Amino acid sequence: LAKTTQPISMDSYEGQEVNITCSHNNIATNDYITWYQQFPSQGPRFIIQGYKTKVTNEVASLFIPADRKSSTLSLPRVSLSDTAVYYCLVGPILYNQGGKLIFGQGTELSVKP
Amino acid sequence: DTGVSQNPRHKITKRGQNVTFRCDPISEHNRLYWYRQTLGQGPEFLTYFQNEAQLEKSRLLSDRFSAERPKGSFSTLEIQRTEQGDSAMYLCASSFKGNSSYNEQFFGPGTRLTVL
Repeated sequence: LAKTTQPISMDSYEGQEVNITCSHNNIATNDYITWYQQFPSQGPRFIIQGYKTKVTNEVASLFIPADRKSSTLSLPRVSLSDTAVYYCLVGPILYNQGGKLIFGQGTELSVKP
Repeated sequence: DTGVSQNPRHKITKRGQNVTFRCDPISEHNRLYWYRQTLGQGPEFLTYFQNEAQLEKSRLLSDRFSAERPKGSFSTLEIQRTEQGDSAMYLCASSFKGNSSYNEQFFGPGTRLTVL
């Protein structure tokens, strides 16, 4: 069963790039890696997902090395509104595949002016 | 609003009572997930359904917790003989099938349970 580990907190300043790493040493072949953002009193919100190498969308990039035992979420030029908790989620996503979905304990990102 | 809805939003109950929560997923989303989240922790996986089939469930769901999705639309989560340790936010999410995979989970606002 994949166990995920993330730093508990990180601080940054507006305009900087932030990289948050998640360790998942026991990731299974069928597992994908997904990152979510959560604000207080709200449900998590999808940021990005990948299986291996690099994925980029309009808000973030996700780097996954060849051994897939870790992943790094990269947020370019953060703003105050990016202050939130960031979670990595490891688990299967393919049709008809079962398997547990494991969230990390979350990284609380604080962006300062 | 066509997002995931959960009812009730808040539930206060006494220890030993049974409670049931409802989740209505986004229309045409055929996967539905339940999680539990306590303060300062990440969501803890409980179970998920693909249509009406329960594909996976945690060990917790073999005890006092049970979930159903009888017609492949809404789902209910029941907790029997509640304990104070059950106090948490219960989150529901849904996702749709893309080409062959389920990418993004859309989360509801959660049901906050307080067991006295």
